[in-house]
This record gives sequence, structure tokens and C-alpha cells, in this order.
Amino acid sequence: NAGVTQTPKFQVLKTGQSMTLQCAQDMNHEYMSWYRQDPGMGLRLIHYSVGAGITDQGEVPNGYNVSRSTTEDFPLRLLSAAPSQTSVYFCASSYGQGAVGYTFGSGTRLTVV
Amino acid sequence: SQQGEEDPQALSIQEGENATMNCSYKTSINNLQWYRQNSGRGLVHLILIRSNEREKHSGRLRVTLDTSKKSSSLLITASRAADTASYFCATDGGSGTYKYIFGTGTRLKVLA
Repeated sequence: NAGVTQTPKFQVLKTGQSMTLQCAQDMNHEYMSWYRQDPGMGLRLIHYSVGAGITDQGEVPNGYNVSRSTTEDFPLRLLSAAPSQTSVYFCASSYGQGAVGYTFGSGTRLTVV
Repeated sequence: SQQGEEDPQALSIQEGENATMNCSYKTSINNLQWYRQNSGRGLVHLILIRSNEREKHSGRLRVTLDTSKKSSSLLITASRAADTASYFCATDGGSGTYKYIFGTGTRLKVLA
């Protein structure tokens, strides 16, 4: 049972490049979210999904796209990377609607130069 | 954003002492959660307390919730060096969804 798997663990992008951060969970969780963590800012919600085919915006969605074609996968796409998107990105999933806690992945450390 | 705010931002104690950290939030909630993050790692869920609960225990952890003051506290008793981590509270904003908003965290250092 792998839990929540994020790839890659580290990535360096040039300004303007695009890329996809991968997130997969094998727990049959309905709910999945993407957060970014910056020093002194805590975690900020980017996008979330309540199930396959359903996504919605969080606090800081600009510059990011998501899709949820399967229950297991929830990729995060950076459309045109900017230095302000340098951050650590966490994917998380949950079984119930607020009834239980999130399971977090180990994170992707992204640097945009 | 109705982000929770933890207090203090940083806390340093000796091994064996108790550590208390607080979380305040802005809007009504259905439940509040506490998480731990070791340096460079993902967050680990510690405990969830519902809005109709006032206190909850899990091992050396004790969480209280005061909805009238919109605040919660996390107490770690008999702290160990392994408790050194950042601790975050997360609230659901009363929406009944899993759209959780996290605070900025308390950095706890336990000295051996």
C-alpha cells in the first residue's frame, strides 16, 4: 500500500516552461487536493477534487490547471512557469467528507529560474 | 481566507516538558485537525476534533476546542526529541467539505 505518491521529488524549470506534477493514490480516496508551501505562509490550497471528473479552485489557483479523469490520479499542470511558483507542492487525499484526516504525499520541490 | 493562525510561531523546550500550541480561526467550523510535519517531509495527520467536542486525547496528545472563542490548543505531554517538528492546524470553514485551510504552523524544538 503506497499511499500518496508524488513525482518528481525535485524539478528545476526555466521561466515560461510548462510541466505536470504527478499525484497518485491507491486508497480509493474520493477527495484529492494540491497545496503549495512557502516559508512563513503555511500551506495554501491550489485546486481540489471531490471525485473523478469534478474539480474546483482553492485559494491560489492562478497559473495552475488540474484534471481528474480517474479516482487514482490528480495531476497538477503549470502552464507557463514563473519564479513566483517556486515552492514545495504537496498532494493530499482523503476518504471521507471531513470525517478523517488527509494523507499527504512527500512533496515536489520546484524551482523556477 | 479564513486561515487559522498558530501561536507561538516557534517554541523551544527541554525533553520531558509539556508543549502547548494554539490555533485561532475566523469562521465557524465543522471540525478542526492537527498535523505534524518533520523537516522536508509531508504532513502527518495527528487528530481531528469535531465542533461538538471540547476535548480529545490520543496518546500523549490532548486537543481542546473552544468554538465560542474560535480557538483550539494542542498539548504534547512529556515531550521527546522526536517531537521536534512543525505543527499545523487545519479548518474546514464550516462548509462541510474537505476543503481545508491550514495555518502557518508552530515550529517546536525539543532539546535533549
